[in-house]
Amino acid sequence: DTEVTQTPKHLVMGMTNKKSLKCEQHMGHRAMYWYKQKAKKPPELMFVYSYEKLSINESVPSRFSPECPNSSLLNLHLHALQPEDSALYLCASSQVPAGRGGNTGELFFGEGSRLTVL
Amino acid sequence: AQSVAQPEDQVNVAEGNPLTVKCTYSVSGNPYLFWYVQYPNRGLQFLLKYITGDNLVKGSYGFEAEFNKSQTSFHLKKPSALVSDSALYFCAVRDIHNAGNMLTFGGGTRLMVKP
Repeated sequence: DTEVTQTPKHLVMGMTNKKSLKCEQHMGHRAMYWYKQKAKKPPELMFVYSYEKLSINESVPSRFSPECPNSSLLNLHLHALQPEDSALYLCASSQVPAGRGGNTGELFFGEGSRLTVL
Repeated sequence: AQSVAQPEDQVNVAEGNPLTVKCTYSVSGNPYLFWYVQYPNRGLQFLLKYITGDNLVKGSYGFEAEFNKSQTSFHLKKPSALVSDSALYFCAVRDIHNAGNMLTFGGGTRLMVKP
């Protein structure tokens, strides 16, 4: 069983709505990630938080706004999304940010939040 | 730059037969290599990894993978496939000499195991 918990599992929203995706891990990991995955495609990196600070933003549109309130929680705030943003949003964590302390970069994924934008 | 190629979109195998899912990689230094499996409407589950040492790596659910440096490959194998192994498999690589690099995923291979 995964130790990264994502809520909600499913979300349907209109283009004018504001919603949030939540992710939680209690493994003591200090790096957390948001990925976007379209059907039958590999995950695409969106954001990386390292020690609760945003370290990577892969040129994601501002209608996606990440937040890391503490080392265990990661949120993704959604506003004014487009239908093409419909996808599976995956949260992941790693023990320390990739490359530090000999970390191999192994990621632990949550089950994902399936987002549909109408 | 680092990259991963999974040359087969789909692999079909009969239950009980051995299976191989292919992966080749490209990094400028030495690689960390990973296999993940994804069942329908689920997240990615870690199967196994190669860091250093023995080229044959054993992982979860009876899977193993062989690191071949000369061929820059890391093929996933299982001696006897199960119907429940049917899923989407992703190979991933990270260059250990590039501290800022994230994992790069291959395009995925759908494994279909038929009874």
